[in-house]
Amino acid sequence: KQEVTQIPAALSVPEGENLVLNCSFTDSAIYNLQWFRQDPGKGLTSLLLIQSSQREQTSGRLNASLDKSSGRSTLYIAASQPGDSATYLCAGFGNKLVFGAGTILRVKS
Amino acid sequence: NAGVMQNPRHLVRRRGQEARLRCSPMKGHSHVYWYRQLPEEGLKFMVYLQKENIIDESGMPKERFSAEFPKEGPSILRIQQVVRGDSAAYFCASSPRDPLNSGANVLTFGAGSRLTVL
Repeated sequence: KQEVTQIPAALSVPEGENLVLNCSFTDSAIYNLQWFRQDPGKGLTSLLLIQSSQREQTSGRLNASLDKSSGRSTLYIAASQPGDSATYLCAGFGNKLVFGAGTILRVKS
Repeated sequence: NAGVMQNPRHLVRRRGQEARLRCSPMKGHSHVYWYRQLPEEGLKFMVYLQKENIIDESGMPKERFSAEFPKEGPSILRIQQVVRGDSAAYFCASSPRDPLNSGANVLTFGAGSRLTVL
């Protein structure tokens, strides 16, 4: 049974800081790993998708990596901004998408 | 392309009533997933459907919950005799193809339906 764990559960940083969110999964038989953003009371926005054959993906200030052998993924956010404040969810896709509980990020101006 | 459309966005029911949540997938998508997000918790998988077929319902409670995705029309998640513990946000996602037989599969999520049971 796939389980996805995210650390830290919450993070508060000053504006401009670089930060890393961590995600670990128990079953290495995942096809893809996807990072999402969720704003309070809103739906999910897909940020990055890493296919199982890939090691990382980049989009703007975001970089996500995937290490299947260790069962870990990280989301790196460069030069954080207050608008980045949200809950960040990682999800591993085996036969279905399994979500972590999320990291609540607050970027202080 | 309107994306994944869910309605109603907000639904209030009294205990014992029925709740019906609808999801229209993105155009061209034939695979639908339902997830539930309880307050302060992550998203939990409920059911995966293709047109007229339930592929995986391992996350669905055995009683009171059912889902369908008919040949025509939206997918429906139905909760009978709702209880307060059913209060949650219910998210639908769709994809264009079978994730097990494709190299990459990006799920597109709807904005969710928030059910409140009084």
